[in-house]
Amino acid sequence: GQQLNQSPQSMFIQEGEDVSMNCTSSSIFNTWLWYKQDPGEGPVLLIALYKAGELTSNGRLTAQFGITRKDSFLNISASIPSDVGIYFCAGLAATFEYNNAGNMLTFGGGTRLMVKP
Amino acid sequence: DGGITQSPKYLFRKEGQNVTLSCEQNLNHDAMYWYRQDPGQGLRLIYYSQIVNDFQKGDIAEGYSVSREKKESFPLTVTSAQKNPTAFYLCASSSPRDSFQETQYFGPGTRLLVL
Repeated sequence: GQQLNQSPQSMFIQEGEDVSMNCTSSSIFNTWLWYKQDPGEGPVLLIALYKAGELTSNGRLTAQFGITRKDSFLNISASIPSDVGIYFCAGLAATFEYNNAGNMLTFGGGTRLMVKP
Repeated sequence: DGGITQSPKYLFRKEGQNVTLSCEQNLNHDAMYWYRQDPGQGLRLIYYSQIVNDFQKGDIAEGYSVSREKKESFPLTVTSAQKNPTAFYLCASSSPRDSFQETQYFGPGTRLLVL
């Protein structure tokens, strides 16, 4: 299946710094989801976006649904050590032909975040 | 509490053996999914089911089988035909298929190791 282009693949930052990551696609999406996965655990939903241009916050996390509907961004402000993990984006395509199996998500390859205390 | 449970947390498979991974949800979700995750990789779809007694192959279904006899349960069998089964397996479920506010929720995962 199609993969979303997620970047960067990894980041090593100092505690207190802001973080930004993004996902892009050649297809238009109706939904963008951002997950965080801790080692050995399942992904946990952080933010869900359902409308182009939408900007949604969850504590220190802010995500935006790109106006072109082909991209999304996740920002983390004032990072702390517990932010360490892998962050995944996921999108639900807009066209029935691409998504002809129903509500099938496409996942990005993940951004591995490491925070130095 | 509502959620998705997977068992066991760790599973060991001998050569030529079939093993079954359990996934149960009490979220009243119609759709359920199985993903495989290899170290440092993203998620790849194995099988999915949008309704009881129906399921479809995902991107990497070879060597796997599923059943969906109950809404709450979607077990995955890793057969002996799967030559490289060592991976982290994730089960997910989602809200009704006609909803435009699609969201998938994941279980805690099962790590399968080959002896």
